[in-house]
Amino acid sequence: DGGITQSPKYLFRKEGQNVTLSCEQNLNHDAMYWYRQDPGQGLRLIYYSQIVNDFQKGDIAEGYSVSREKKESFPLTVTSAQKNPTAFYLCASRNLDRQYTEAFFGQGTRLTVV
Amino acid sequence: AQKVTQAQTEISVVEKEDVTLDCVYETRDTTYYLFWYKQPPSGELVFLIRRNSFDEQNEISGRYSWNFQKSTSSFNFTITASQVVDSAVYFCALSSSYNTDKLIFGTGTRLQVFP
Repeated sequence: DGGITQSPKYLFRKEGQNVTLSCEQNLNHDAMYWYRQDPGQGLRLIYYSQIVNDFQKGDIAEGYSVSREKKESFPLTVTSAQKNPTAFYLCASRNLDRQYTEAFFGQGTRLTVV
Repeated sequence: AQKVTQAQTEISVVEKEDVTLDCVYETRDTTYYLFWYKQPPSGELVFLIRRNSFDEQNEISGRYSWNFQKSTSSFNFTITASQVVDSAVYFCALSSSYNTDKLIFGTGTRLQVFP
């Protein structure tokens, strides 16, 4: 089945550690996105990429890094510089052959700092 | 500046009641798109509808209907005869012609439908 796969579903991190969240899509979509969801704050854009080997910062990129070495994959690293990383992280992808296409989302990764 | 406001944080209804979720947006762009997404307890966001700024026709899809009014900058979502399976968080989002890569989300409305 086509879709977006995020792993792991739950992730626990000790303070000071970097962790990487995986996002893979088999929809052949050009663009991929990472959002952070906190209670009562909706979704905020962290990073996005429209093409392999290129990506742009979103609204809250500090403390995060990404790579786009393959069209299908867009991993997000939460670094130790992110002071409040506990949140729900959602990956999305979108086709760019038409304007304003909807984004498709994965099932999310819940990250908790312990 | 662009902004989406969903003033209703949480709504509770009993099954078979009709419920309307409000969405008010702000943008200076003349060309923009509005979206509604559903987030069930499993976590992923499910796309429901897309509406462009030039099309003010209301839309109905089964028990779902959407009322887009540019005069009041609103894009409200009504569920008729609600069901327990409608329980979820619903997000309204905005995308403009000047920055089509960004979806600006509202804070969401949690709908609980009780049997």
